[in-house]
Amino acid sequence: AQTVTQSQPEMSVQEAETVTLSCTYDTSESNYYLFWYKQPPSRQMILVIRQEAYKQQNATENRFSVNFQKAAKSFSLKISDSQLGDTAMYFCAFMKPTSGSRLTFGEGTQLTVNP
Amino acid sequence: NAGVTQTPKFRVLKTGQSMTLLCAQDMNHEYMYWYRQDPGMGLRLIHYSVGEGTTAKGEVPDGYNVSRLKKQNFLLGLESAAPSQTSVYFCASRTVYGYTFGSGTRLTVV
Repeated sequence: AQTVTQSQPEMSVQEAETVTLSCTYDTSESNYYLFWYKQPPSRQMILVIRQEAYKQQNATENRFSVNFQKAAKSFSLKISDSQLGDTAMYFCAFMKPTSGSRLTFGEGTQLTVNP
Repeated sequence: NAGVTQTPKFRVLKTGQSMTLLCAQDMNHEYMYWYRQDPGMGLRLIHYSVGEGTTAKGEVPDGYNVSRLKKQNFLLGLESAAPSQTSVYFCASRTVYGYTFGSGTRLTVV
């Protein structure tokens, strides 16, 4: 079974600065997907970024980028130029595209962006 | 509007009562899921379905039942609610890019 670990329950950053959220996972699979989801106080789950394991290039979406280290089984999220609207719970998630494509989530990291 | 719709959004139950949570999607997705979210534990999979008429157990299925009689609907049932089932419940369907989630149901069992 896959496991996902987020070792930082809470983090804070000043507006306009850069912050990195950590995620590690454990799997014996070679083909899989990794995701970061954002959950603001509204409770809605919002996809931030996704990474296919077979791609060596790190995914980027505007101010959000990942550092995917497949051998180390590490998948960190970097948020540049942090904005107040980035305040949210962030979840790292793993999915293998078989057995129902189930998502396995980490425990979450609560990020607070301070003005 | 396209998406995943959950009803109800909030509910309070007494121990031993039963209820059904409804999830509806209008995107013609085959795969649908029910998760529960508890503080410090992320989201955990309860049950899922890979198509109409199919269901399967996830990580924490005990105390719940599901049905997928129509492709667009995925129902989660609690036959005899317990305080340990107090949680926020999310339904989701699988897209090419990941999942689309509903807005969640906050359930309190007293």
